[in-house]
Amino acid sequence: DTAVSQTPKYLVTQMGNDKSIKCEQNLGHDTMYWYKQDSKKFLKIMFSYNNKELIINETVPNRFSPKSPDKAHLNLHINSLELGDSAVYFCASSQGQGDDGELFFGEGSRLTVL
Amino acid sequence: AQSVTQLGSHVSVSEGALVLLRCNYSSSVPPYLFWYVQYPNQGLQLLLKYTSAATLVKGINGFEAEFKKSETSFHLTKPSAHMSDAAEYFCAVLSGGYNKLIFGAGTRLAVHP
Repeated sequence: DTAVSQTPKYLVTQMGNDKSIKCEQNLGHDTMYWYKQDSKKFLKIMFSYNNKELIINETVPNRFSPKSPDKAHLNLHINSLELGDSAVYFCASSQGQGDDGELFFGEGSRLTVL
Repeated sequence: AQSVTQLGSHVSVSEGALVLLRCNYSSSVPPYLFWYVQYPNQGLQLLLKYTSAATLVKGINGFEAEFKKSETSFHLTKPSAHMSDAAEYFCAVLSGGYNKLIFGAGTRLAVHP
């Protein structure tokens, strides 16, 4: 009964391909996030959606396009993959859009670009 | 802009020893600070948070952290380490609204028998 689930967990692909990562949360939260964790474990926020509306959009190449069909889902599509996109991508969710800082993370999707 | 710096990318302790993981913050406003833990091949989990109430904050698994404004620090401690505490620990600060968290670089805690 996973609270925040991501698919796939592992993704190996060639440079130039397009890939998607899906995320679903069953916590009833209003806000969802994508974070990128690089090989040095550094975590950086990419996007956030609240009730299907984009509310945080960090400086991310426009090859990355998030989509939220409903408040329980936030998908990440990446076009023209590059070597530097190799990372672990974490989806997270939180209740409301407040300031309690309590995020619930998925287990991550490890993307390897060859 | 808010930021956090974690001193020491790797900390190694013996089982039963004190755990001390260091975090210093930079913030132009009173900060909201957090510690998260990441076990191998898992997502992050909130350990504890400081949101301007008590300066000594207790979290899960016996961890606690003390907010010291004079030192701009929010160090994480546990009196007695267990093998199961081996993980990556991240300090974070809330930056603006919408629960936007800025994370430190992380500290890997190793616990040896």
